[in-house]
Amino acid sequence: GAGVSQSPRYKVAKRGQDVALRCDPISGHVSLFWYQQALGQGPEFLTYFQNEAQLDKSGLPSDRFFAERPEGSVSTLKIQRTQQEDSAVYLCASSLALTGPGELFFGEGSRLTVL
Amino acid sequence: DAKTTQPTSMDCAEGRAANLPCNHSTISGNEYVYWYRQIHSQGPQYIIHGLKNNETNEMASLIITEDRKSSTLILPHATLRDTAVYYCIVRGYGGSQGNLIFGKGTKLSVKP
Repeated sequence: GAGVSQSPRYKVAKRGQDVALRCDPISGHVSLFWYQQALGQGPEFLTYFQNEAQLDKSGLPSDRFFAERPEGSVSTLKIQRTQQEDSAVYLCASSLALTGPGELFFGEGSRLTVL
Repeated sequence: DAKTTQPTSMDCAEGRAANLPCNHSTISGNEYVYWYRQIHSQGPQYIIHGLKNNETNEMASLIITEDRKSSTLILPHATLRDTAVYYCIVRGYGGSQGNLIFGKGTKLSVKP
C-alpha cells in the first residue's frame, strides 16, 4: 500500500521480554517520528529521524527504549525488559519535508500489552 | 506541553455543521495551526492547517482569528463517520520542530 505500515498490529509480551516494533514509512519520506499513546491520552513524542540520523530522542522514557533507521527507510523501535507501564499504542509517522510545514502521515499503530 | 486548549467533548447532530474551537494564545509568528483527528483504533489523520489566513479543503474549513490566538475547525455537514477525537496543534517546522505535540483533543460525537 501507499501508506505508513506498522507491524505487528498487536503484541502481547510477558514482563521482562524484549520487543521490536517495525515501521515502513511512505517511500521517499525523509522524516520519521515515533509516538507513544497511552489509553485515553493523546500521542506523545518519542524520537525523530531525518533519513538515517536520529536527531532527537528526547522523548524516549528510559534507556530500555531504542530506535534505529539504519538505511533511512524502515525503522525499528525496540523495548528491552518490558514493564507493564510500557503498555500502549506505538505510532509511527513519516513526512516528505525536511523543512516547511509538511504533513505527517501516521500508521495505524502497534498495540503493546505487557502482562 | 501542548500549547492549545480545547473543550473535552462536543456533540453534533448528523447533517449539521460541527464547529470545534481551539485557543492558542501563546502561538509564535512562525507557527502553524494544524488539525488532526483520530478515529477509534486508527492512527491520527491530517485534516487541515493554516498560518494566518482562513483555509478550506474537501474535509473542512479552518478559521483563524486575526490575532491568531484562537481558531475554529468547521465540518460543514457532519456525518456519523466524523465521530472522533479532534486535535488542534501548534507546530513549528524544520527538523524535530516539525514534531506534533498533541493535547487531549476534543471528542466529537455525531448523533443521528
